[in-house]
Parts: sequence; C-alpha cells; structure tokens
Amino acid sequence: DAKTTQPPSMDCAEGRAANLPCNHSTISGNEYVYWYRQIHSQGPQYIIHGLKNNETNEMASLIITEDRKSSTLILPHATLRDTAVYYCIVRVTSGTYKYIFGTGTRLKVLA
Amino acid sequence: DTEVTQTPKHLVMGMTNKKSLKCEQHMGHRAMYWYKQKAKKPPELMFVYSYEKLSINESVPSRFSPECPNSSLLNLHLHALQPEDSALYLCASSPDHGGGFNEKLFFGSGTQLSVL
Repeated sequence: DAKTTQPPSMDCAEGRAANLPCNHSTISGNEYVYWYRQIHSQGPQYIIHGLKNNETNEMASLIITEDRKSSTLILPHATLRDTAVYYCIVRVTSGTYKYIFGTGTRLKVLA
Repeated sequence: DTEVTQTPKHLVMGMTNKKSLKCEQHMGHRAMYWYKQKAKKPPELMFVYSYEKLSINESVPSRFSPECPNSSLLNLHLHALQPEDSALYLCASSPDHGGGFNEKLFFGSGTQLSVL
C-alpha cells in the first residue's frame, strides 16, 4: 500500500496562505490523493482530492507534482477556524477501496 | 441527507461487558468502514463492507465483530475488550459505484469508547 508522510506541525498567520506538503513516493498510477481535516476529535472532514491534475474547490487547492510523488494542499486565506489536524490520504484500489491515512500535520493558525 | 450518524457518542464498559456501536447512513452508499483512532494518532482502518459483504478485515482481534444488516446500517459488536482498546471509533461510508473521481469518504462524529 502507498504510504504518506507529512510534517508533524506547522504554523500559519491568519489571512496568509497555508501550504501543507505530503510525500507519497510509492503511489501507484490509479491511486487518488485525498485531504481531510479533523477538529477536536470530531469525524474527519473532506477537503479535496485528485489523481494527476491540480484541483481547486471552495475550500482549497491541491497541487500534485508531475511524477505524483508529492502534493501540496493550499488554504488560500487561513482563518483561526482552520486550526486542525490535516491528513493526506491515499485511496488504494484492491477489489474495494482502502483509504490509508498519513500521520497528519497539526496546523495552528495564529492571530 | 449527507450525514453518517453514530450512536452512542460516548460509551464506558467493563472488560466483561458486551456492547455494540451503531452507524447509519441514508445516502445510498454501498461501502461502509470502521476506523479506530487512538489519541493524537491517525485513524486506522479496521473493516470495510462493500455491498453488505465484508471485503477487508485488517487483522482485527475477534473481540471486535462487525455486522452489516443492510446497506444503510453498520454495527460493531464488542466483547471482552481490553483497556488498550479505549479509542475513538469512527464510521464512514462511500458511494462505491464503480470507482473513479466521485468516490470519497463521509465520516460520522465517532463513538468515544473507554474500557475499564
């Protein structure tokens, strides 16, 4: 199974862009990259996902390198409510779908 | 309705007790998942049901017994647990409609389990 590695923690000033990196060097061609966040031991919340192309939605942008070995989640204007643990996840297809969580990055947005 | 509902939200049980966790979704999703999350750790996959059949068991001890009575319901039966089984248990669902770009997980808010 592909595995992901993330920095354990990051700080970001409120209003600035938060760039969260993820390495997934063993990812296979048909495995998607997902990002979720978790606040205060609630259920993880979906942010964005992609396969090869960069993606953008109302919450964030996802930049995937051409070799697909790493990706970056971008929160364009971080707010205090974006303080959370962010997980980079690879979806493995082996008959059914396994979503394998990375170790997560604890993002703290500073006022 | 885009919710996954888990009950109870909190559960305290002794090592000799039998209890069950319940998960329900009404989004027509055909895959349902149990994850276990210890404090300050990422969620770890336990079981996956696809079209009401158990498709993945990540070598989970037999004191955890999953059940999928129908496509909307997922249970986790607990028996003779150990204190180290105390954790947040998360349920999730996904469409499982042939894969592709539209697949993603929807999580419940979890059951915080304490084993005494």
